[in-house]
Amino acid sequence: SQTIHQWPATLVQPVGSPLSLECTVEGTSNPNLYWYRQAAGRGLQLLFYSVGIGQISSEVPQNLSASRPQDRQFILSSKKLLLSDSGFYLCAWSRQGLKETQYFGPGTRLLVL
Amino acid sequence: AQTVTQSQPEMSVQEAETVTLSCTYDTSESDYYLFWYKQPPSRQMILVIRQEAYKQQNATENRFSVNFQKAAKSFSLKISDSQLGDAAMYFCAYGGGADGLTFGKGTHLIIQP
Repeated sequence: SQTIHQWPATLVQPVGSPLSLECTVEGTSNPNLYWYRQAAGRGLQLLFYSVGIGQISSEVPQNLSASRPQDRQFILSSKKLLLSDSGFYLCAWSRQGLKETQYFGPGTRLLVL
Repeated sequence: AQTVTQSQPEMSVQEAETVTLSCTYDTSESDYYLFWYKQPPSRQMILVIRQEAYKQQNATENRFSVNFQKAAKSFSLKISDSQLGDAAMYFCAYGGGADGLTFGKGTHLIIQP
């Protein structure tokens, strides 16, 4: 069966510091991968998605970037965090295809102070 | 751009009763898929049910069923025999391709014992 991991689970960072959140998927190959952000009391906003190694699509301009160095690894980064980057970050995966269900990881709580 | 609207920020139901959560969406596509996800206090997104737009038959998963009205662009979730474990945020989501899902803002479901 497939599993998706995210770490760290919780992170508290000062404004202006760098960020690296990691997501890995097990039990499948060549998945589509996604990063979402959930602000307090809001739904999920798609940040990035990837259909293959090195292929990243960005949905919104922001202070964040994403990379996919390996088939089942997806990384969310920032060079300098802003207060507005605080939130709950969720990684998801789906099988390749146009109408595949997305399955979510446990998420990372990020607080920027 | 697609939009998803959940007009009920909060719903309350007595244990063992039935509750319906509303969702409407806007799209110009004809082939897409719709989801309901549950987010308990742990905040991990859990798939509840999925509906293909080309299927006229409403999806059902045990106590969970949907009322899909394609012409009206409506996709409501019915939970029968509500249980305390059903208490959570419920998100309606739209998917049109290999990119990410578009989520509503969610409905907070409270189960009264």
